[in-house]
Amino acid sequence: QKEVEQDPGPLSVPEGAIVSLNCTYSNSAFQYFMWYRQYSRKGPELLMYTYSSGNKEDGRFTAQVDKSSKYISLFIRDSQPSDSATYLCAMSVVDSNYQLIWGAGTKLIIKP
Amino acid sequence: DAGVIQSPRHEVTEMGQEVTLRCKPISGHDYLFWYRQTMMRGLELLIYFNNNVPIDDSGMPEDRFSAKMPNASFSTLKIQPSEPRDSAVYFCASSFGTGFTGELFFGEGSRLTVL
Repeated sequence: QKEVEQDPGPLSVPEGAIVSLNCTYSNSAFQYFMWYRQYSRKGPELLMYTYSSGNKEDGRFTAQVDKSSKYISLFIRDSQPSDSATYLCAMSVVDSNYQLIWGAGTKLIIKP
Repeated sequence: DAGVIQSPRHEVTEMGQEVTLRCKPISGHDYLFWYRQTMMRGLELLIYFNNNVPIDDSGMPEDRFSAKMPNASFSTLKIQPSEPRDSAVYFCASSFGTGFTGELFFGEGSRLTVL
């Protein structure tokens, strides 16, 4: 079993829908959780970063961490075709970029 | 700032040939990372440097892979000899500091195909 599980998709939704992307993990010591967005033929870029449990909101994006269930989510409100990309979750026990454990990424398609 | 710059963007080579991938990190960043991305294995950290010094190369798959950082503005990843299973997208990333407040900035990647 992988430490971080993420459904590769693709997930296809109509424009304007609320999107929910998820990752589950097995290591209860993870404390730092990130979401990266990767457009086709580009490198990943950091979207949101959360420490420990709770929610974090940034515009149309909300990151949620449920440590009791070992489950993290990224919600996108009012989805736009420009949100079409692969979304990768990443997490770590300590505050260090070099110990990130990555999910496989979920490909999201927003249909106009 | 121009961001992390990688070259070449695409490389097609034959098995047994030497491949050199290049990276220019963002000026002022003190950490540099080399990643490999494939459909099967996702993103894998190969090696990272701090202030031009290799810190952890445990992700380098075999002795055929080597990486150098001769100065703060340049790094190379070399594969010699290359094999078809090395086909992947190789990313270079840099950051200022290693904590998550020091965001990882990725280049656009070098897509390697080994025939």
